[in-house]
Amino acid sequence: GAGVSQSPRYKVAKRGQDVALRCDPISGHVSLFWYQQALGQGPEFLTYFQNEAQLDKSGLPSDRFFAERPEGSVSTLKIQRTQQEDSAVYLCASSLFQGPSQPQHFGDGTRLSIL
Amino acid sequence: AQKVTQAQTEISVVEKEDVTLDCVYETRDTTYYLFWYKQPPSGELVFLIRRNSFDEQNEISGRYSWNFQKSTSSFNFTITASQVVDSAVYFCALSEARAGNMLTFGGGTRLMVKP
Repeated sequence: GAGVSQSPRYKVAKRGQDVALRCDPISGHVSLFWYQQALGQGPEFLTYFQNEAQLDKSGLPSDRFFAERPEGSVSTLKIQRTQQEDSAVYLCASSLFQGPSQPQHFGDGTRLSIL
Repeated sequence: AQKVTQAQTEISVVEKEDVTLDCVYETRDTTYYLFWYKQPPSGELVFLIRRNSFDEQNEISGRYSWNFQKSTSSFNFTITASQVVDSAVYFCALSEARAGNMLTFGGGTRLMVKP
């Protein structure tokens, strides 16, 4: 597709369940990012990949959060033993090249609700 | 550490009015990049503009214009003759050459344009 694609669009889970969120970046984009956006706030950085290498995971809030991009294209963000504070919109973004000057192109996000 | 502040949480205007969205940033880096994104109700963040720290020239694109002033650490965004379709949440963001590729976002300004 032309843009960044995320699935599912909405996810409801019970506290304690594991969830997996998928991101399909724009084809050929080297860099991939995950952000967490709480209601009424700006997105906050979680982690960054350059191709298949996870170069920065400083924003992951706990060891329950895990991300991978095994073949340098599709990425999955996994949250284990979900808690209510994990409820948020999870945004994926990609950029053609690596570097802080590169505009990031975002998907529509996955809205995660933990009951 | 880098920080972006958007003091206006919500602005309401009537169609055809001009409106300015404020953005103030903090950084210790001499090389950095500033961005504006638009987030319509669909949730996708749409890239609008990027400026680098060495280029203070103001920019105009149609009804949009941006005023970058390093002396006041501000990067303000003006919409001239606002339209209902401009209604969205607007985010200012910063990336630093030394801090990797992550974006640091402000809290966003919700703009409502009434007919």
